[in-house]
Amino acid sequence: AQKITQTQPGMFVQEKEAVTLDCTYDTSDQSYGLFWYKQPSSGEMIFLIYQGSYDEQNATEGRYSLNFQKARKSANLVISASQLGDSAMYFCAMREPTGGTSYGKLTFGQGTILTVHP
Amino acid sequence: DAGVIQSPRHEVTEMGQEVTLRCKPISGHDYLFWYRQTMMRGLELLIYFNNNVPIDDSGMPEDRFSAKMPNASFSTLKIQPSEPRDSAVYFCASRQLMNTEAFFGQGTRLTVV
Repeated sequence: AQKITQTQPGMFVQEKEAVTLDCTYDTSDQSYGLFWYKQPSSGEMIFLIYQGSYDEQNATEGRYSLNFQKARKSANLVISASQLGDSAMYFCAMREPTGGTSYGKLTFGQGTILTVHP
Repeated sequence: DAGVIQSPRHEVTEMGQEVTLRCKPISGHDYLFWYRQTMMRGLELLIYFNNNVPIDDSGMPEDRFSAKMPNASFSTLKIQPSEPRDSAVYFCASRQLMNTEAFFGQGTRLTVV
């Protein structure tokens, strides 16, 4: 069974600094996808970035990058140049592969609350 | 595209009443997920559908919960009878292909008193 672990319940960062949010996962599948979502206080779930298990390059989307270390089964989110609007809950998620009895189930970690200080 | 649409946005009901949450996925998406979010348990997957067929309902907490997807554009999550511990935010999400992200609705905040 899949498992996603986010060990940091809360993180603080100074505005304009970079911050890393940790995510580790456990799976026996070779093909899977890793996602990060942001949930601001308004409650909506916003997709940030995706990394496929076979992607050799780390994914980047603007100020977001995913530090993918497959052997260590980690998929940390790096936010560069933090902004006050980055204050939110951040979720790591993993998608299992399709094929056979597997249908792409998407499982989330517990989340990390990020607070950006001015 | 209007995105994933959930209704109602807020629901307050009395214990023992039936509650029905509704979801309209993005057109063309063939996966639909129902999640429940609470402070204690985080974001839990309740059930998901592929091409309107329920694939995995192992996350449904008990028989009081049921979900249906009668067609590609509509799904319901029903709780009967509702209990105070069912109070949570319920999210619906849809996805088209395996390598794309899931798009979430705005959620339904359910309060059972």
